Amino acid sequence: DTGVSQNPRHKITKRGQNVTFRCDPISEHNRLYWYRQTLGQGPEFLTYFQNEAQLEKSRLLSDRFSAERPKGSFSTLEIQRTEQGDSAMYLCASSSLTGGTSGKAGELFFGEGSRLTVL
Amino acid sequence: QQQVKQSPQSLIVQKGGISIINCAYENTAFDYFPWYQQFPGKGPALLIAIRPDVSEKKEGRFTISFNKSAKQFSLHIMDSQPGDSATYFCAASRRAGGTSYGKLTFGQGTILTVHP
Repeated sequence: DTGVSQNPRHKITKRGQNVTFRCDPISEHNRLYWYRQTLGQGPEFLTYFQNEAQLEKSRLLSDRFSAERPKGSFSTLEIQRTEQGDSAMYLCASSSLTGGTSGKAGELFFGEGSRLTVL
Repeated sequence: QQQVKQSPQSLIVQKGGISIINCAYENTAFDYFPWYQQFPGKGPALLIAIRPDVSEKKEGRFTISFNKSAKQFSLHIMDSQPGDSATYFCAASRRAGGTSYGKLTFGQGTILTVHP
């Protein structure tokens, strides 16, 4: 397993369009997180899953945002009716509750992110 | 209560020098304090982390110092190298096992430049 994979790496879209990002976590990790990072800032928590259950959502996650993890493996983050303020790097991270060969319990491993530009 | 404040915003150090980045937190429920390193175009990568039951943790050239009473912690990079040039983020979270673990609150970041 080579780590957390995110696609697409870059997306340019026009305001009002819908976009979807995909995250494939490290295979043995049961927790998956989405963060948003704007230029010059630290990542901000959006939501996280334990297996297929979405356990927490930030107030940053407006109604236009929806995240799923249908089979407890990969996850998608969809943004509907994009706005220019949605332009950011969307980061996915995963962790294991119990620890193992891929890190200690709770240790977050981030993907390289999906950069969204809304024109 | 959820903020983590990081300073300085940027830091320039000569090769071989010591880089020091500081963070302060407000929420006393935080009990896991990692530092992440991020290169341009990449996601953050865990560098080192500490829990409040110890005051210092060292891994190679990287040391975290933790002051629970002051609610402050810092990253020291000894013998700084040009390859250390990156953005560094401190973060904080609550205990493993609780549903909030892994929900990291990040500082604003410090851009470190190490001159050769």
